[in-house]
Amino acid sequence: AQRVTQPEKLLSVFKGAPVELKCNYSYSGSPELFWYVQYSRQRLQLLLRHISRESIKGFTADLNKGETSFHLKKPFAQEEDSAMYYCATRAGMPSGSARQLTFGSGTQLTVLP
Amino acid sequence: EAGVVQSPRYKIIEKKQPVAFWCNPISGHNTLYWYLQNLGQGPELLIRYENEEAVDDSQLPKDRFSAERLKGVDSTLKIQPAELGDSAVYLCASSLAEKETQYFGPGTRLLVL
Repeated sequence: AQRVTQPEKLLSVFKGAPVELKCNYSYSGSPELFWYVQYSRQRLQLLLRHISRESIKGFTADLNKGETSFHLKKPFAQEEDSAMYYCATRAGMPSGSARQLTFGSGTQLTVLP
Repeated sequence: EAGVVQSPRYKIIEKKQPVAFWCNPISGHNTLYWYLQNLGQGPELLIRYENEEAVDDSQLPKDRFSAERLKGVDSTLKIQPAELGDSAVYLCASSLAEKETQYFGPGTRLLVL
């Protein structure tokens, strides 16, 4: 079964400092990895996906298959980055496994002024 | 575009009472998802629809939960009877197709007393 671990429930950094939100997954094969974000009083939304290899709002995430990690990073945190961040995984194609998204328990990021 | 619409936003009921949640997906989205999100946890898939067909309901507790998506558009999730442990946020999401980005609704926060 797929499992996603986000070891930090809470993470606080000062504005301008680098930030890294950790995510480890357990899944055999080649899963798809995602980061979702939920800002205060807003709905859950996709931030980025590993297959796109893009930077969104200054955030990047590199899939490390050896360490089964997909940590989210930003070199200079901004106050507007304060939000709940969820890492998620889904079986890659082709796959006989269920293609559902499996979410981690989330990390609440607070960027202090 | 209003995005995924859910109602009600909040619901308080006594245990053993029935409750229903409604979801209107983004126009043209064939895939619809219902998720359960317990406090401090990430969303967990309950059921996925492709048009009007439930293609993944393995996580749905079928003794008390039921769902339908008549005509392949709107969907209703029902709990009967509700238990104290059902207190949670119920999220609806939709996507153009199963592999595409999921767009989430604001959720329905249920409190069972």
